[in-house]
Amino acid sequence: DVKVTQSSRYLVKRTGEKVFLECVQDMDHENMFWYRQDPGLGLRLIYFSYDVKMKEKGDIPEGYSVSREKKERFSLILESASTNQTSMYLCASGAGLAETYEQYFGPGTRLTVT
Amino acid sequence: AQKVTQAQTEISVVEKEDVTLDCVYETRDTTYYLFWYKQPPSGELVFLIRRNSFDEQNEISGRYSWNFQKSTSSFNFTITASQVVDSAVYFCALSGQGGSEKLVFGKGTKLTVNP
Repeated sequence: DVKVTQSSRYLVKRTGEKVFLECVQDMDHENMFWYRQDPGLGLRLIYFSYDVKMKEKGDIPEGYSVSREKKERFSLILESASTNQTSMYLCASGAGLAETYEQYFGPGTRLTVT
Repeated sequence: AQKVTQAQTEISVVEKEDVTLDCVYETRDTTYYLFWYKQPPSGELVFLIRRNSFDEQNEISGRYSWNFQKSTSSFNFTITASQVVDSAVYFCALSGQGGSEKLVFGKGTKLTVNP
C-alpha cells in the first residue's frame, strides 16, 4: 500500500513564525504535490515537484516555498505565517505514469495561525 | 483552461436512498483523465475511480457506479442504497492541461447519509 505521511495532524503557530510542513512518501513516486483545502473552495494546488530539486508553482504559490532534497520528502515552508494561511494542508504523491495520474494523499495537517 | 464544476454543495439523504453526485468538466484536451475521490471525516482523500477520455463505458463497483458522457462533459457518480458510512465529501477531478499530472479539482459535494 502506498503511504503518504505528514509530520503533524494539527499545528498552531503565531503570526510571523516560519512554519515547516513535512511530507514523506514510501512508493518511490516521481511527483509530489502540496494543496490547501478551504471550505467552499475545494483543493487548490500550491506547489508541485516532478523530480528532486525541481519544483513548479501551482495556482496559489504566494506566501509559500517548497523544498525537495530527497525523492521521498517534500516540504512546504511558510516563510512568515499569516492568519490567512490558516487552512488544511494536504500532501500527495503520484507515480508520474501517463496511464495513471492517480495521486495518493496524506492525512492532512490542520494549521491554525493566531 | 481546465475547470470542474460540482454544482451540489451539500446533499442529505436517508439511508438506503440512491444518490447521484454531479460533475461537469471543461477541457480543450482530447486526451484527459477524470477522477473521483472520497474524503471521510478523518480527512484523508481516498481514490475511487479513474476514467480516461477514450473509455465511455459506465463502471460499477459494488454500490458505486459512474456515468461518463463526453457529449455533455459529465462524469456523474451514483451511490445505490446509501449507507451512513458513505457520509463524506466527494471530489471530482480532471487531469491537467496537456496531460499534466496536476489535477484540477471541483469544490466538492458534502454527502450526509442519515440513519
